Amino acid sequence: KAGVTQTPRYLIKTRGQQVTLSCSPISGHRSVSWYQQTPGQGLQFLFEYFSETQRNKGNFPGRFSGRQFSNSRSEMNVSTLELGDSALYLCASSWGQGNTEAFFGQGTRLTVV
Amino acid sequence: KQEVTQIPAALSVPEGENLVLNCSFTDSAIYNLQWFRQDPGKGLTSLLLIQSSQREQTSGRLNASLDKSSGRSTLYIAASQPGDSATYLCAVIRGFGGTSYGKLTFGQGTILTVHP
Repeated sequence: KAGVTQTPRYLIKTRGQQVTLSCSPISGHRSVSWYQQTPGQGLQFLFEYFSETQRNKGNFPGRFSGRQFSNSRSEMNVSTLELGDSALYLCASSWGQGNTEAFFGQGTRLTVV
Repeated sequence: KQEVTQIPAALSVPEGENLVLNCSFTDSAIYNLQWFRQDPGKGLTSLLLIQSSQREQTSGRLNASLDKSSGRSTLYIAASQPGDSATYLCAVIRGFGGTSYGKLTFGQGTILTVHP
């Protein structure tokens, strides 16, 4: 079966711009979570969506937002980009209830210049 | 606040050795614990999931144990190979009353190098 698909794989943006990242979960999975990975901070939780509702949120500024569609695909948006937003953004999908084993995509490498 | 610590931060071993990676967590109210590997610049690959009611899980040369009361998990890799070289991450998901909260809290990882 198809895994978790993230697009695009690489992005280069300028400070002040905004960006949208996409994540298609494994078929049947209803939970999508987003993580930011940097060398200094490691993996940090951004937010989780389950059945189109944000169920959990990490400690990131409001510039980071997301949504989930009825087909469980999710998008993450970052507005007014800062140099410190440069990171690998990973999404994970799971059933969301009962079996919560998480499966990750390959990530989107965002570079802000 | 849940904190996850992994020891050692880095490990270099010759091929064929058996090795143990350690993970500890501060809040024992976990729903499950999951071990991942990450190759440079790549996403995370799930290795083993241990439910909070379980004590261990095995997959091939990998065996993971969980002791909730002491807040510890270990990942045992038998007969290591150069292809095992990667960063190994453990993560816990908090739960209460059988409901998970959908948020994985990760350790900083152990960088494993297996040399021929």
